[in-house]
Amino acid sequence: QVQLVESGGGVVQPGRSLRLSCAASGFVFNTYAMHWVRQAPGKGLEWVAFIWFDGSHTAYADSVRGRLTISRDNSKDTLYLEMNTLRAEDTAIYYCARQRRDALDYWGQGTLVTVSS
Amino acid sequence: DIQMTQSPSSLSASVGARVTITCRASQTISTYLNWYHQKPGKAPKLLISAASSLQSGVPSRFSGSGSGTDFTLTIINLQPEDFATYYCQQSHSTPHTFGPGTKLEIK
Repeated sequence: QVQLVESGGGVVQPGRSLRLSCAASGFVFNTYAMHWVRQAPGKGLEWVAFIWFDGSHTAYADSVRGRLTISRDNSKDTLYLEMNTLRAEDTAIYYCARQRRDALDYWGQGTLVTVSS
Repeated sequence: DIQMTQSPSSLSASVGARVTITCRASQTISTYLNWYHQKPGKAPKLLISAASSLQSGVPSRFSGSGSGTDFTLTIINLQPEDFATYYCQQSHSTPHTFGPGTKLEIK
């Protein structure tokens, strides 16, 4: 069965960095585009970034462009989100999700990132 | 960027009722519109893709329609497990924006 398991969240000070991982299993990872979506406490869903199946193309939300970087290692079936120059407004649960036919059909359970001094 | 709006922002209904949630895009998105619901403490779940395509395993009481800029999600015969927050999302162009959500509560 399809599984997506995020890790790497935690408490980090403003201006510092963090790397999130999303381990995929149960499907052929290198044939699917993947996304990161976040949700601030008590708020709605915010699309963050996506990466093509082969890593050749990426796109970002304006709010994170230049600070967050999506990448993948298809040899390890793992998606990453490198987060730099973190701000308080980056505090959220971060979900990875698989894209199928222009929709996000499987989601991980999420990992919480808290940016606080 | 394409902006998504939803109405109502919250909705109270009884088990067995029929409800409709509306989603509007700020520019035409053909049928690149998806619906999700999310229960507290859980990840979102895909219900409908491409405006009207029901996902495998999703009950047939859910249906979606629309194209261009205006879309609807209809749930008939509401069940207790349907009370959640519903989000639309456009996948026509990046950023793949979500609507602000509609919270469906039990009356």
